[in-house]
Amino acid sequence: QSVLTQPPSVSGAPGQRVTISCTGSSSNIGAGYDVHWYQQLPGTAPKLLIYGNSNRPSGVPDRFSGSKSGTSASLAITGLQAEDEADYYCQSYDSSLSAFYVFGTGTKVTVL
Amino acid sequence: QVQLQESGPGLVKPSETLSLTCTVSGYSISSGYYWGWIRQPPGKGLEWIGSIYHSGSTYYNPSLKSRVTISVDTSKNQFSLKLSSVTAADTAVYYCARVVGAFDIWGQGTMVTVSS
Repeated sequence: QSVLTQPPSVSGAPGQRVTISCTGSSSNIGAGYDVHWYQQLPGTAPKLLIYGNSNRPSGVPDRFSGSKSGTSASLAITGLQAEDEADYYCQSYDSSLSAFYVFGTGTKVTVL
Repeated sequence: QVQLQESGPGLVKPSETLSLTCTVSGYSISSGYYWGWIRQPPGKGLEWIGSIYHSGSTYYNPSLKSRVTISVDTSKNQFSLKLSSVTAADTAVYYCARVVGAFDIWGQGTMVTVSS
């Protein structure tokens, strides 16, 4: 039922750069609503990674960066580390009848 | 620092009502912000259930709205979730979180299984 689409998986070697896309529509990302990103390590609760499209909460390494353009957003991880292996979710607000807060389908990042 | 902790039964029978409470520490709910519930079925993604303001105003996911009630008890610094007429499809880890546009602080989550 997710209205935000992410690739199921991405992978990269340590030190590489990977990006995760989050594709929405004119009722959510395209309407100008902020996109937020979460990291979920195995067996733990999601953790806010990026808020307001490109802002990092205190304590989040600057290896993580976010951007938004049109109806899509992206999360980039540079200098990939083994500890970055996790599930990542985007989230935004939707003004249609689907839901107020919507999450992406989720992306599993694997460090090779 | 602000912490959230979910509590409630881990097993609920089909057709009954799921009830969970989120206790907030380190911050007074009465001071502001919305507070929300999110769930995650095993092996699946995240789904927003609904949110509440300290005044009691609520808004729910339309797909669950007919079965969901979220309430707040500012005297106990808690907010609660009730989901009626549950089925196996409601089996999930249920999280409570503070809403600041993003969900910035999360509880550890509690697993609820719907089974007879």
